[in-house]
Amino acid sequence: SSGLTQDPAVSVALGQTVRITCQGDSLRSYYANWNQQKPGQAPVLVMYGKDHRPSGVPDRFSGSRSGNTASLTITGAQAEDEADYYCNSRDSSGNHVIFGGGTKLTVL
Amino acid sequence: EVQLVQSGAEVKKPGESLKISCEGSGYSFTYYWIGWVRQMPGKGLEWMGTIYPGDSDTRYSPSFQGQVTISVDKSISTAYLQWSSLKASDTAMYYCARRQSGEDAYDIWGQGTMVTVSS
Repeated sequence: SSGLTQDPAVSVALGQTVRITCQGDSLRSYYANWNQQKPGQAPVLVMYGKDHRPSGVPDRFSGSRSGNTASLTITGAQAEDEADYYCNSRDSSGNHVIFGGGTKLTVL
Repeated sequence: EVQLVQSGAEVKKPGESLKISCEGSGYSFTYYWIGWVRQMPGKGLEWMGTIYPGDSDTRYSPSFQGQVTISVDKSISTAYLQWSSLKASDTAMYYCARRQSGEDAYDIWGQGTMVTVSS
């Protein structure tokens, strides 16, 4: 498959650690980037490349990759982290950008 | 401040044409790819295509090739997304976004343009 697969929904208790994953064959060759989208707002980039955080993103966000799976980890999740998270990368051909289907994160 | 500002919401009828815009400011518009992303109501993000303002090099997702046209006028730092004949299924929020140099990450997003197509 040339797509990126994400779990539709994940929940985490306030202050605990949660990992959101993104699977795809292309991730063996390309890094995933992670975008956070809150209701009614435009997406915001929270992680990119190997493990880079844009300015202003809290350091509780981190990224990693193993084989065909990229992960976004939130260590000590806060209420304001409740959002949809979308990974993006290249497709297997390397010619086009693709997005994962998104993961809805609920902070309990 | 680096930002992308998109044109306002549109309500159109099926078969009509439309061109929406995305104006960049606060950075060298010419040197960063601009991408367009669709989000249908209640659904996820879909990459439509991208354009490099420096030379108008344009790439389309296979899903959108032939369905839309992406263009740019670098003299006014503005990218465009247009349809020649809208369908009800084009109803969606459309975002433009700046691709970060050297990466496939989109680091700056426009506020979105809601397009509603209804008879």
